[in-house]
Amino acid sequence: NAGVTQTPKFRVLKTGQSMTLLCAQDMNHEYMYWYRQDPGMGLRLIHYSVGEGTTAKGEVPDGYNVSRLKKQNFLLGLESAAPSQTSVYFCASSSLNWGGLTDTQYFGPGTRLTVL
Amino acid sequence: QQQVKQSPQSLIVQKGGISIINCAYENTAFDYFPWYQQFPGKGPALLIAIRPDVSEKKEGRFTISFNKSAKQFSLHIMDSQPGDSATYFCAATPMEYGNKLVFGAGTILRVKS
Repeated sequence: NAGVTQTPKFRVLKTGQSMTLLCAQDMNHEYMYWYRQDPGMGLRLIHYSVGEGTTAKGEVPDGYNVSRLKKQNFLLGLESAAPSQTSVYFCASSSLNWGGLTDTQYFGPGTRLTVL
Repeated sequence: QQQVKQSPQSLIVQKGGISIINCAYENTAFDYFPWYQQFPGKGPALLIAIRPDVSEKKEGRFTISFNKSAKQFSLHIMDSQPGDSATYFCAATPMEYGNKLVFGAGTILRVKS
């Protein structure tokens, strides 16, 4: 089991460029999440998905779009990158336990993005 | 607006000592409180978690203490070891559909040998 994988690991963009971050999980989890981590601010939820074909906004969704076309993949897109989007991005996934409550979130290794 | 406030920002503890990290929350809908551990260059990993129906949960050297009336919870690391040096995040969420974690700002722990 690879768990949660993210590509790429590092990326440098110029302001206005676009890119897509890919997250893949092999644990058959229903839920997937995208977070950004900034110094002194912890992790903040950008968007999340509760199943294939569904997405929802998190705490800081502006400037990002997501898609969940396949259960195992969750894509995060930046249409026009800005320096304020310089951050480390983490993907996570979780399952539903027997009580219908969500379970532990498993995190990927992160993508370090710099926008110049 | 930070819904989960974590302190201290950084902590230095001698090997064998007790590390204590505190968190406070405002949202009374929160009913699941995990702690995550993150090593440099890695993603966070669940360390221990508690539900508000108990006041304490212990797993090895790690203990969560929970005070529902004060809306506070804390992580205690007993017999701290250099290998415990990492960033620790508290988090909270209502255990509803979606499991949207709200994280504290993190505490950088350094255990001196």
